[in-house]
Amino acid sequence: NAGVTQTPKFRVLKTGQSMTLLCAQDMNHEYMYWYRQDPGMGLRLIHYSVGEGTTAKGEVPDGYNVSRLKKQNFLLGLESAAPSQTSVYFCASTTGTSQYFGAGTRLSVL
Amino acid sequence: GEDVEQSLFLSVREGDSSVINCTYTDSSSTYLYWYKQEPGAGLQLLTYIFSNMDMKQDQRLTVLLNKKDKHLSLRIADTQTGDSAIYFCAERKSGGSYIPTFGRGTSLIVHP
Repeated sequence: NAGVTQTPKFRVLKTGQSMTLLCAQDMNHEYMYWYRQDPGMGLRLIHYSVGEGTTAKGEVPDGYNVSRLKKQNFLLGLESAAPSQTSVYFCASTTGTSQYFGAGTRLSVL
Repeated sequence: GEDVEQSLFLSVREGDSSVINCTYTDSSSTYLYWYKQEPGAGLQLLTYIFSNMDMKQDQRLTVLLNKKDKHLSLRIADTQTGDSAIYFCAERKSGGSYIPTFGRGTSLIVHP
């Protein structure tokens, strides 16, 4: 049972490049989330999904898009990366009681 | 102000007890959580407590909830160097989209 798996683990982008972060969970959870973590800021919710085919905006959605075509996968896209998007990105899914987190993707935008 | 507040740092000696405190503002919070984040890793759920409870114990961990003061604490007995990590407090209401509100995290440093 892998839980929540994020790929890639590390990535360096140049300003203006695009990329997609993948989150996969094997726990059959309906709800999935994307957060970013910055020093001293805690976790901030980017987007979330309450089920296959649905997405919703969180606290800091600008510059990001998401898709949930399959229940087990939640993709986070950066269409035109900016240095302000340098961060650690975490995916999570939930049973409804507590969240399970992936190990994170460390992204640097130069 | 923030919905969930924690002090940023706590330093303790190995073998002592650690107490990490958290305050929240939403009186309708139903679930209150403690997560642990080790360096380079994601958040790991340590324990949670329902708002109708005032204490929960799990081995070396004791969670105390003062609902009147909206104060949550995590006590770690016999703190070890492996307990060094960032500890996040979180709260959420029941139902909805199950979105918790996290504090900024308390860095626990355990020294010999």
